[in-house]
Amino acid sequence: GAVVSQHPSWVICKSGTSVKIECRSLDFQATTMFWYRQFPKQSLMLMATSNEGSKATYEQGVEKDKFLINHASLTLSTLTVTSAHPEDSSFYICSARGGIMAKNIQYFGAGTRLSVL
Amino acid sequence: GENVEQHPSTLSVQEGDSAVIKCTYSDSASNYFPWYKQELGKRPQLIIDIRSNVGEKKDQRIAVTLNKTAKHFSLHITETQPEDSAVYFCAANINTNAGKSTFGDGTTLTVKP
Repeated sequence: GAVVSQHPSWVICKSGTSVKIECRSLDFQATTMFWYRQFPKQSLMLMATSNEGSKATYEQGVEKDKFLINHASLTLSTLTVTSAHPEDSSFYICSARGGIMAKNIQYFGAGTRLSVL
Repeated sequence: GENVEQHPSTLSVQEGDSAVIKCTYSDSASNYFPWYKQELGKRPQLIIDIRSNVGEKKDQRIAVTLNKTAKHFSLHITETQPEDSAVYFCAANINTNAGKSTFGDGTTLTVKP
């Protein structure tokens, strides 16, 4: 099946710093990538949807200036948490959806656990 | 927008028994319904999916049924094993390049040996 690689898997940072998370589709071209946030024992909360070469579409309540999403190529999307604060600590998961080879199915990255001190 | 409700939130069964998880959706335009299994600390993995032109799909011990009229779909796991213990998410999707999946809140399945 299609593989989505997400890095880093775990990051600890100081309050006020920025953190970049990468999401790569390794064996297919991801026309659409999704970024989710997941709290312990809760569902996947969609933060934004990005299509290659265009601006991300953010869900209601998600600050676009705080969570910067770039989808510069068909295999790479990045999420930057700017000026991170302890309340941003969470599990962030990306997912990618491609064309014919991936049958338009969403494949998930392994997630990034962010801890902001 | 789409709203997906999933029940139950927790489910405990004895090994060998069957488990059923049910989801309802609100948008009649949704036409693709995947199910994901997420083990603790790991990524959600697609286990089975169904498209709106099919009423039932089976893959070994796992089956999914879809009732488009009632706008509900269910996951059935037979002969459950301890390794089936995980959180299961249903989702509904308008399967276009611009579409996005709306997820249910998840069901924590525990299979007791």
